Amino acid sequence: DTGVSQDPRHKITKRGQNVTFRCDPISEHNRLYWYRQTLGQGPEFLTYFQNEAQLEKSRLLSDRFSAERPKGSFSTLEIQRTEQGDSAMYLCASSRRDRDTEAFFGQGTRLTVV
Amino acid sequence: QQPVQSPQAVILREGEDAVINCSSSKALYSVHWYRQKHGEAPVFLMILLKGGEQKGHEKISASFNEKKQQSSLYLTASQLSYSGTYFCGTERGGSYIPTFGRGTSLIVHP
Repeated sequence: DTGVSQDPRHKITKRGQNVTFRCDPISEHNRLYWYRQTLGQGPEFLTYFQNEAQLEKSRLLSDRFSAERPKGSFSTLEIQRTEQGDSAMYLCASSRRDRDTEAFFGQGTRLTVV
Repeated sequence: QQPVQSPQAVILREGEDAVINCSSSKALYSVHWYRQKHGEAPVFLMILLKGGEQKGHEKISASFNEKKQQSSLYLTASQLSYSGTYFCGTERGGSYIPTFGRGTSLIVHP
């Protein structure tokens, strides 16, 4: 059990470019979450998967954001046509199927849009 | 809906106690508490369930008042290692999705 792994750890991109982040959850964790965190704020929910099914997506999330979890294992988060306001830490978390268990967070991907 | 945490910041000396509060306007199923140190991922502290009892380990404990939709985190005899930002995450029944507050910054001085 190596924990939740995210790649890359840092990404600098020019405005208008597309970026993709990857998250490898703890094996056998069927729930996977994506959060976004900006300085001085708590993690803000983006989307949630149970196995390969995307069950919920934040209403705050624009159509430029898309996430997938093929085969219920790793997940990717893509941001198209990045804007400066997208600059943030993107956190992935996973948890077991059992109700009321902790979510383990990855180290995050820090995105800077210039 | 985002829970409200108070206070926003706490500054302590080693050995002093602190209480961090978390409240929601919605009925809650559970409350999760995490601590995050600068540049690191949030780390789970404990989860409190509706109908459950107060929880704790060592000198950190928490309570959950379902009727008031409030939770409090108690840190006693604080240590330098307690410094960080504490987040509560609240979950409404059936959502499986913790919604986090803005955090409480805790600084413990020698």
